Amino acid sequence: TQLLEQSPQFLSIQEGENLTVYCNSSSVFSSLQWYRQEPGEGPVLLVTVVTGGEVKKLKRLTFQFGDARKDSSLHITAAQPGDTGLYLCAGGSQGGKLIFGQGTELSVKP
Amino acid sequence: KAGVTQTPRYLIKTRGQQVTLSCSPISGHRSVSWYQQTPGQGLQFLFEYFSETQRNKGNFPGRFSGRQFSNSRSEMNVSTLELGDSALYLCASSLAAVSDYGYTFGSGTRLTVV
Repeated sequence: TQLLEQSPQFLSIQEGENLTVYCNSSSVFSSLQWYRQEPGEGPVLLVTVVTGGEVKKLKRLTFQFGDARKDSSLHITAAQPGDTGLYLCAGGSQGGKLIFGQGTELSVKP
Repeated sequence: KAGVTQTPRYLIKTRGQQVTLSCSPISGHRSVSWYQQTPGQGLQFLFEYFSETQRNKGNFPGRFSGRQFSNSRSEMNVSTLELGDSALYLCASSLAAVSDYGYTFGSGTRLTVV
């Protein structure tokens, strides 16, 4: 059974601080995707990484896929209150299936 | 362009009843997946359809079923509802046949079983 462990589960920081969210597994995934979800809405895709060692940057967000394609991280620089939300990592599996981590609830206080 | 549309947004049902949820994917998207989201278990994969064929099924009892129509619209059905079926049910669609390009999710159907 493929599992993704995401940490930390909860994160409360002040505006301007940096943070990193981790996603780890003992399984190899074909891709690692990061989503952000706001209350009452569905997850919104932030990025997909497919190559081991790949790094993608989206403004203040940096995503990394581990060399062995078993882990990933999301780093946010100078967090803002608008970054508040539930961050989810998801591993691509066969047959159109995504395996989701438990999520990281991020709260950025002004 | 229109996103993924799920109807209804909210639903309250009684134990033992059955329910049908609907999902209209983005135009042209042939892959439709369903997920159950609960505070305790997070997002759990229910099933995925591509061009009307179920390609993968998650670890849920047979009371959970689904189908996809020729226009890619999809429905999922839950029979003999239990209190534990209360959850946010999310539908996601993708243009690609593989999961690696990411999915667009709908806003979900919030099902409450009383």
